[in-house]
Amino acid sequence: SQKIEQNSEALNIQEGKTATLTCNYTNYSPAYLQWYRQDPGRGPVFLLLIRENEKEKRKERLKVTFDTTLKQSLFHITASQPADSATYLCAPGGGHLSSNTGKLIFGQGTTLQVKP
Amino acid sequence: KAGVTQTPRYLIKTRGQQVTLSCSPISGHRSVSWYQQTPGQGLQFLFEYFSETQRNKGNFPGRFSGRQFSNSRSEMNVSTLELGDSALYLCASSLAGSYSNQPQHFGDGTRLSIL
Repeated sequence: SQKIEQNSEALNIQEGKTATLTCNYTNYSPAYLQWYRQDPGRGPVFLLLIRENEKEKRKERLKVTFDTTLKQSLFHITASQPADSATYLCAPGGGHLSSNTGKLIFGQGTTLQVKP
Repeated sequence: KAGVTQTPRYLIKTRGQQVTLSCSPISGHRSVSWYQQTPGQGLQFLFEYFSETQRNKGNFPGRFSGRQFSNSRSEMNVSTLELGDSALYLCASSLAGSYSNQPQHFGDGTRLSIL
């Protein structure tokens, strides 16, 4: 079955540094991958989408890469700020009919803590 | 444009009872998906409705059911509540649903606690 892995341990970094979060998937060939941010007690908020034919996508201080050979996406936050502290969820979706149902599936998320 | 609204925000029930949760999607969105979120399991897909029809269902027992009305508002019902049903229940709306690459817009959820 399809499996999505995000680092379950919290990532602690110093303000101003670059945070890098990892999303690995197996038994899956998604056509795209979405990243969401979730704050405690709130619903997830969409951040970025990257398609399988795109190697990299940027939005302000955010950068996402998508390596279909490694079956991995990396999510970077440059010049991190304490306000970036939250849980970040990856969600692969779409894909080829022979390998999956095409439905969006969420990883369990990685908690980022940015210390001032 | 108003976001996704879920009511109530908090609910306390006892085992054996049943509960109904409500979700009002963003205006114009025809797809509503429901998720259960717990610390151990993360976001688990319950079901999706599109134009009043259930389009997909996750691996949950039949005690979990839902429906969608003609105005796209959706309700989720859980019967014979168990302690393990304690969770944050999230609803998400989108224009074309979870099979498209369009973003899911989430509400802030209903926190259900079973005593």
